[in-house]
Amino acid sequence: DAGITQSPRHKVTETGTPVTLRCHQTENHRYMYWYRQDPGHGLRLIHYSYGVKDTDKGEVSDGYSVSRSKTEDFLLTLESATSSQTSVYFCAITVDRAMFGYTFGSGTRLTVV
Amino acid sequence: GQQLNQSPQSMFIQEGEDVSMNCTSSSIFNTWLWYKQDPGEGPVLLIALYKAGELTSNGRLTAQFGITRKDSFLNISASIPSDVGIYFCAGQRYGGSQGNLIFGKGTKLSVKP
Repeated sequence: DAGITQSPRHKVTETGTPVTLRCHQTENHRYMYWYRQDPGHGLRLIHYSYGVKDTDKGEVSDGYSVSRSKTEDFLLTLESATSSQTSVYFCAITVDRAMFGYTFGSGTRLTVV
Repeated sequence: GQQLNQSPQSMFIQEGEDVSMNCTSSSIFNTWLWYKQDPGEGPVLLIALYKAGELTSNGRLTAQFGITRKDSFLNISASIPSDVGIYFCAGQRYGGSQGNLIFGKGTKLSVKP
């Protein structure tokens, strides 16, 4: 395995509560990504990081924030969860965007009730 | 945002059949990648293509990077039950936020009833 773990694997939360998902890597890769996967939409980029404290928005960033204080950890926070954020969230890493594909974690299934 | 049009959306396979799927875009990409996702897991890289016209094989899988750099296809020969899953194409352009992967919506392979 590439050394990428996501936690938790499953979570049910109530509308309006904050939620933080964690992605941890042991590969020392520079780039880390958060995607969400929904039926009919494929994988859509939420936020990404190109180094410690360096992050940028993706296609569907509204309602989400991220932080990367260490190379190995990339946190995704839903500031006030809504039902539309029910989804499967994937973290991905890569050492070099130009030469290598991404390695994905196993995902976090989040249900907002 | 940019879109990749992946087809077919779904298909049924019978063991031994060959399978084809493709991905097209209105934009040029520098890299094309093909991923497979099994239920409950993250996508796993199957094949990466880096040059226009490149034809690459990985066992029974063959993928090509279109000459126009706007398309790619994936063939699976002599399908077996473990080929079932969702296949994603992904394209990448170099530089800044454009260096991030863009994914198609996936082709779901199922076994014929």
